Amino acid sequence: AQRVTQPEKLLSVFKGAPVELKCNYSYSGSPELFWYVQYSRQRLQLLLRHISRESIKGFTADLNKGETSFHLKKPFAQEEDSAMYYCALSDQGGSEKLVFGKGTKLTVNP
Amino acid sequence: DAGVTQSPTHLIKTRGQQVTLRCSPKSGHDTVSWYQQALGQGPQFIFQYYEEEERQRGNFPDRFSGHQFPNYSSELNVNALLLGDSALYLCASTRSGNTIYFGEGSWLTVV
Repeated sequence: AQRVTQPEKLLSVFKGAPVELKCNYSYSGSPELFWYVQYSRQRLQLLLRHISRESIKGFTADLNKGETSFHLKKPFAQEEDSAMYYCALSDQGGSEKLVFGKGTKLTVNP
Repeated sequence: DAGVTQSPTHLIKTRGQQVTLRCSPKSGHDTVSWYQQALGQGPQFIFQYYEEEERQRGNFPDRFSGHQFPNYSSELNVNALLLGDSALYLCASTRSGNTIYFGEGSWLTVV
């Protein structure tokens, strides 16, 4: 069964500290992995996807197939990074159906 | 481009009633999906429409049905509402495996 696990419901760090949001997945095949972000009072939006290997707003995520993980990292957190973060996967066949984790609420304190 | 637009923004219904939610996809997009997001949970896939047909369906009962129109807009219908149907309903659109864009959602409260 397809499943995405985000073990931390809440994560609080200080400005300038490194941040890592954990994501583990269960999938029989080769999934495509995503991180979506939802800032306060805004819609869900794509932060990054593993196939593009981009760094967006200083965030990076590496797909580790051995550990079935796709952790999101940023070396120096900013207050504006405070938001709800969702890890998601889809079938690489392009089914465009997303399976989401329950989300991690990140708070960056001044 | 207004992106994905949904209506209504909020609504309150009584148990047993029926509700229709509407979605206009982002310009150029032909595939529309619907998600249910209960409080404290991630979005859950309900179903997806492409070329006016349901292409995929998640683990939701038949009370949940939908439609896609020739202009790619879509409706989500829920019959015989239950208290547990109270949630944020998100519409998402895309085209050919490109980035999936979400609307702001419709908040449904069932009392």
